[in-house]
Amino acid sequence: EAGVTQFPSHSVIEKGQTVTLRCDPISGHDNLYWYRRVMGKEIKFLLHFVKESKQDESGMPNNRFLAERTGGTYSTLKVQPAELEDSGVYFCASSLYAGGPGDTQYFGPGTRLTVL
Amino acid sequence: DAKTTQPNSMESNEEEPVHLPCNHSTISGTDYIHWYRQLPSQGPEYVIHGLTSNVNNRMASLAIAEDRKSSTLILHRATLRDAAVYYCILRLPGDYGQNFVFGPGTRLSVLP
Repeated sequence: EAGVTQFPSHSVIEKGQTVTLRCDPISGHDNLYWYRRVMGKEIKFLLHFVKESKQDESGMPNNRFLAERTGGTYSTLKVQPAELEDSGVYFCASSLYAGGPGDTQYFGPGTRLTVL
Repeated sequence: DAKTTQPNSMESNEEEPVHLPCNHSTISGTDYIHWYRQLPSQGPEYVIHGLTSNVNNRMASLAIAEDRKSSTLILHRATLRDAAVYYCILRLPGDYGQNFVFGPGTRLSVLP
């Protein structure tokens, strides 16, 4: 069974440009999460989809970040315009269940974003 | 948010057991204790979780103190592949699985 995949693995862009990150969850997982680790900080939750609906987007830093999950399959995270402080590693995770002890989250390898 | 504290780093010799401690003195009665690890250049990986009783799986064991204010992840025989950052996470109560709060974790080095 394929795990969570993310594309691209690395992205280098200039400040002010737009970048779109993609996440393909494990097939059949309705729950999809985005996290990120910016330089020197801890991994932080960004948002959670249940199918195509945003269940919780309380961790999104500002309105330059837009996440979508059309059709409830893959998800994209767009940063527009990118700022220097957006540099970091963006992780996607998916889970079969949400809530309770059984919601093991499976993480992708991450996308390393560098904003110059 | 309920917090966990872990040592910044630990070292172990290959083939020896490793005990990774975690303090969570503000844990509530419904919080599950999850452990994830992050191998180099990979995303976090689930290791084990528990509520009150000790737990075993093929990867590790989890020993939970009687008062639940601390727990210990036990790797029975460390291998070089176990070198990673280990995160102790409290699964906060909630209807949905969004409440994973990562701390800085413990960086485990395994010496050959």
